[in-house]
Amino acid sequence: GAVVSQHPSRVICKSGTSVKIECRSLDFQATTMFWYRQFPKQSLMLMATSNEGSKATYEQGVEKDKFLINHASLTLSTLTVTSAHPEDSSFYICSARDLKGSTDTQYFGPGTRLTVL
Amino acid sequence: GDSVTQMEGPVTLSEEAFLTINCTYTATGYPSLFWYVQYPGEGLQLLLKATKADDKGSNKGFEATYRKETTSFHLEKGSVQVSDSAVYFCALSLNDYKLSFGAGTTVTVRA
Repeated sequence: GAVVSQHPSRVICKSGTSVKIECRSLDFQATTMFWYRQFPKQSLMLMATSNEGSKATYEQGVEKDKFLINHASLTLSTLTVTSAHPEDSSFYICSARDLKGSTDTQYFGPGTRLTVL
Repeated sequence: GDSVTQMEGPVTLSEEAFLTINCTYTATGYPSLFWYVQYPGEGLQLLLKATKADDKGSNKGFEATYRKETTSFHLEKGSVQVSDSAVYFCALSLNDYKLSFGAGTTVTVRA
C-alpha cells in the first residue's frame, strides 16, 4: 500500500530552538496533507490542513506562527515548531490524502516524538 | 462539535476470543465512519470504513456496522489472534475529509 514517511522519528531539542519535521508521500502525490498532535494515552488532535501551493488551514486554538507549515511540493509537507517550549513536547503525526483511482484514502506517517528540554 | 467516544482500554484477550470495541459518535451532519489500527512501531492504517447508515465495513475478519439510530460503529472480530494486538482508533469525517478520532483502545491478545 501507499507509504508516508516522517523524519526525524525522534528529536530532542533545547527550549527556544526551532525544529522541522518532514512528511513525505513516497509513492503517490498528495495535494492535501494533515498534521496531528497526540498526547500520551489521548487521541489524535488535528492541528492543520496543508494544501500544496497554498497556505495551511489551522484548527481553532492552534497558533499558526508557532507551528509553521509548508507544502512546497506534491510529496512533501514540513511542520516547523518555532521557539519550542517543554509544553510542545508531543507526538506529531502527518497523513497524506491519496485521490488515486476511485478511492480517497488517508495514509499516515509513523510519527515524530518531540521532546523539548 | 463533532466527536467520537470509544471504550477505554486496555483490553486483554486470549487467542480465539471474541473482541468488541464500542464506538459512538456525535456529528452535525452525516459523517463517514472509520476504524484505524496502529501496530507497534507503525503508523495508523485504515482497517475499515462505512460511508452511510446500515453500511457494514469489513477487513481482516473485523466488522463494523454504521448504526444511525444508535449513532454507533462498534468494531467486532469473532476470533482474535496474537497479531491483532494493536491500538484501535474509531474516527469520523464529514465533507472536508478532516478526521476526528476517539481516544484509542489498546488491545493485547495473549497466546
